[in-house]
Amino acid sequence: NAGVTQTPKFQVLKTGQSMTLQCAQDMNHNSMYWYRQDPGMGLRLIYYSASEGTTDKGEVPNGYNVSRLNKREFSLRLESAAPSQTSVYFCASSELRSPDTQYFGPGTRLTVL
Amino acid sequence: AQTVTQSQPEMSVQEAETVTLSCTYDTSESDYYLFWYKQPPSRQMILVIRQEAYKQQNATENRFSVNFQKAAKSFSLKISDSQLGDAAMYFCAYSRNAGGTSYGKLTFGQGTILTVHP
Repeated sequence: NAGVTQTPKFQVLKTGQSMTLQCAQDMNHNSMYWYRQDPGMGLRLIYYSASEGTTDKGEVPNGYNVSRLNKREFSLRLESAAPSQTSVYFCASSELRSPDTQYFGPGTRLTVL
Repeated sequence: AQTVTQSQPEMSVQEAETVTLSCTYDTSESDYYLFWYKQPPSRQMILVIRQEAYKQQNATENRFSVNFQKAAKSFSLKISDSQLGDAAMYFCAYSRNAGGTSYGKLTFGQGTILTVHP
C-alpha cells in the first residue's frame, strides 16, 4: 500500500516548456487535490477533484490544467511554464466524509528557468 | 474567504520541555474542521491532530494536544515532552464543512518552524 505517489520528484524546465505532473493513490479515495507550496507560505490549492469525472478550480488555478484520468489518477499540466510557477507541488487525496483527512504525496520540486 | 494566520515564524524548545504553537483563523462559518500538519525536512505532510468545531472537548493525540477557543477563533498546538523528531515546519489548516464538493478544501497558515535543542 503505497498511499499517494507523485512523479517526478524533481524537474527543471525552461520558460515556455510544458510538462505534466502525475499523481496516483491506492486508497480508493474519491477526492484528489493539487497544492503548491512557496517559501514563507503555506500550501495553496490549485485544483481539486471531488470525485471521478469532476474537477474544480482552487485558489490559484491560473496557468494550470488538470485531468482526473480515473479514480486513482489526477494529473496537473503546465502548458507554458513561467518562472512564477517555480514551487513544490503536492498531490493529496481523501475520502469525502466527515471529518475529512487528506493524505499527501511526497511532493515535486519544480524549477522554471 | 477564510484565512489562517500563524504569527510565529520560528519557535524553539529544549528536548523534554513543552512548547505551544499559535494559530488564529477567520471564518463566518459555524461548522468546520481545524488541523495541524507537520512537515519534516523530507517534505512529507503528516497529519498531527484534528478538531471538529462542533466538539467542545479539545483533541489529544499522545503528546500533542490543542487548545481550541471557538469564540476567539484560536487553535493552538501544545507539544509535551518534546523530542528531537518533533523538529519540523508545522502548519495550521482550516476546512469548511459544507457537504458536497466543499469538503476537504484546506486553507493553510504560513507555517512555524520548530527547532528542538538537545
